[in-house]
Amino acid sequence: GAGVSQSPRYKVAKRGQDVALRCDPISGHVSLFWYQQALGQGPEFLTYFQNEAQLDKSGLPSDRFFAERPEGSVSTLKIQRTQQEDSAVYLCASSLVGRPINQPQHFGDGTRLSIL
Amino acid sequence: KNQVEQSPQSLIILEGKNCTLQCNYTVSPFSNLRWYKQDTGRGPVSLTIMTFSENTKSNGRYTATLDADTKQSSLHITASQLSDSASYICVVSLRSNDYKLSFGAGTTVTVRA
Repeated sequence: GAGVSQSPRYKVAKRGQDVALRCDPISGHVSLFWYQQALGQGPEFLTYFQNEAQLDKSGLPSDRFFAERPEGSVSTLKIQRTQQEDSAVYLCASSLVGRPINQPQHFGDGTRLSIL
Repeated sequence: KNQVEQSPQSLIILEGKNCTLQCNYTVSPFSNLRWYKQDTGRGPVSLTIMTFSENTKSNGRYTATLDADTKQSSLHITASQLSDSASYICVVSLRSNDYKLSFGAGTTVTVRA
């Protein structure tokens, strides 16, 4: 497809379970970002990859959150031992260049995660 | 404390009318300011990107303005259409970490026939 693709679109898990969220960026895009969006709020930065290198993970809320992009294309955000406060929409975005100064970030439609 | 504040939180306008959304930011020094449109259940879509040296930028019926001295931006929607119903988010990036975007909470616009 032409855009950023995320799967699954919806995920329901019981508290304590591990979840994995997938992001397929636009083909050839160097930069990839993960964001967390709570209901009624703007997205909050989680982490940034340039190709396979994770250059910034300062936004990850705890060590239960882990992201990887091993081949510089598809990325996975993993949350271990989920808690109710992890319930949110997780957005992935990609950009054509590294250090995308003044370049748009193209967003996927997100994964809505609900922790019961 | 959020570094990007938007007002109003929500507004309702009649189809064909104009409206203006406001954004105040405290991020400094900043690299650029963006406006995104987010439909319900969808990801944000970029409308405009302005550097600190730009005053205005248009994208069709959307016009964004920027006053870097007062740290204010506005998004003007002209001749609104039903499809303009969405959340409009103001986004600012720091010059030192220009890839890291700070998002406002958004203004929800509802256009009614």
